[in-house]
Amino acid sequence: EPEVTQTPSHQVTQMGQEVILRCVPISNHLYFYWYRQILGQKVEFLVSFYNNEISEKSEIFDDQFSVERPDGSNFTLKIRSTKLEDSAMYFCASSMDYYNEQFFGPGTRLTVL
Amino acid sequence: QKEVEQDPGPLSVPEGAIVSLNCTYSNSAFQYFMWYRQYSRKGPELLMYTYSSGNKEDGRFTAQVDKSSKYISLFIRDSQPSDSATYLCATNSNTGNQFYFGTGTSLTVIP
Repeated sequence: EPEVTQTPSHQVTQMGQEVILRCVPISNHLYFYWYRQILGQKVEFLVSFYNNEISEKSEIFDDQFSVERPDGSNFTLKIRSTKLEDSAMYFCASSMDYYNEQFFGPGTRLTVL
Repeated sequence: QKEVEQDPGPLSVPEGAIVSLNCTYSNSAFQYFMWYRQYSRKGPELLMYTYSSGNKEDGRFTAQVDKSSKYISLFIRDSQPSDSATYLCATNSNTGNQFYFGTGTSLTVIP
């Protein structure tokens, strides 16, 4: 069964460093998303991406964040200068169509020291 | 007002019990409703996906949507210890592309 994959599973970084989180969505899906979940809190939407551009973003997704689909399979989330409060699980998701159900990857745990 | 409200629990039931999980949402324009199951330190796994008011059944799981009262429910029949997880309800934004999640309800099914 096709699935969303994410790498790395755990990323540790120093405050102020740049990190790139990687995702490989399900191959025939067209919509891609990033969510984050701070430990013990709810899943929060960050951004959705379609046709090589951002289609919607939340207020969390400020200028520190960017997304890219550098090739036909990868979808990345970059955090330019990490802060302590960026420590969270980051989930990538993809869907086939605009209103279709979203399938989540296993997540990347980001720890900012 | 939060887009989606969900009682965080925790909820503890004996094996075989019927479980009822509930959420309310704020915006009558929300159209799609989902239930996800999340095991500890894992990504959310889609369980049920509904569009219209009424019931949708899949095995031991039944999703119910009442758009008039903005209330969504998930029922689990014959609950099993493997059902122990956090259950998240979610609905979409007005534009359809952003999904709002509830805080999740932690469920433990005791053998």
